[in-house]
Amino acid sequence: GAGVSQSPSNKVTEKGKDVELRCDPISGHTALYWYRQSLGQGLEFLIYFQGNSAPDKSGLPSDRFSAERTGGSVSTLTIQRTQQEDSAVYLCASSNRISGNTIYFGEGSWLTVV
Amino acid sequence: DQQVKQNSPSLSVQEGRISILNCDYTNSMFDYFLWYKKYPAEGPTFLISISSIKDKNEDGRFTVFLNKSAKHLSLHIVPSQPGDSAVYFCAASARSGGSNYKLTFGKGTLLTVNP
Repeated sequence: GAGVSQSPSNKVTEKGKDVELRCDPISGHTALYWYRQSLGQGLEFLIYFQGNSAPDKSGLPSDRFSAERTGGSVSTLTIQRTQQEDSAVYLCASSNRISGNTIYFGEGSWLTVV
Repeated sequence: DQQVKQNSPSLSVQEGRISILNCDYTNSMFDYFLWYKKYPAEGPTFLISISSIKDKNEDGRFTVFLNKSAKHLSLHIVPSQPGDSAVYFCAASARSGGSNYKLTFGKGTLLTVNP
């Protein structure tokens, strides 16, 4: 597609439930990122995938968070046993060698844990 | 420990005037800086960037200035338009470092341009 696509755009879930957020990066982009923005905060790095290399998971806030990227394209971010503090906008981005450090974001998945 | 700081949470300017958004950083390894703009309910969109080998980069109404000795950069918008009203994020990366892909963002500044 033309841009980074994320789904769902909005998700309300009950505390303790698991959620999955999906990201479809820009076609041809080898790098994929997940960031999140909590209320009143900046964008917080979560995880980075580049080609077939091992992902950088250093930003994942707890072991309830995991992400995978299948076939070097689509990525899924999974949050298990959601907590209220997980409420945030989860932003996916992608880039390629040409764009270098310029990353292109999707519109985000707004997660509310009640 | 915030490595990228945007100390003004908001800024209000009149249409046609200059908007100046400021950003400070602490990590001396940062060598590439970007500005992103974010409208409500949308993802951030790339606006302009600057490498540490330059001190100025201009693109239309947008100019970014970098002062390496002060670890400070600023985004100038001239003339400001109501459509520029958005949250502006400053971001930095260390391209020569091991985590050269990682962008560190500030908390953002909400710019309001009044007609």
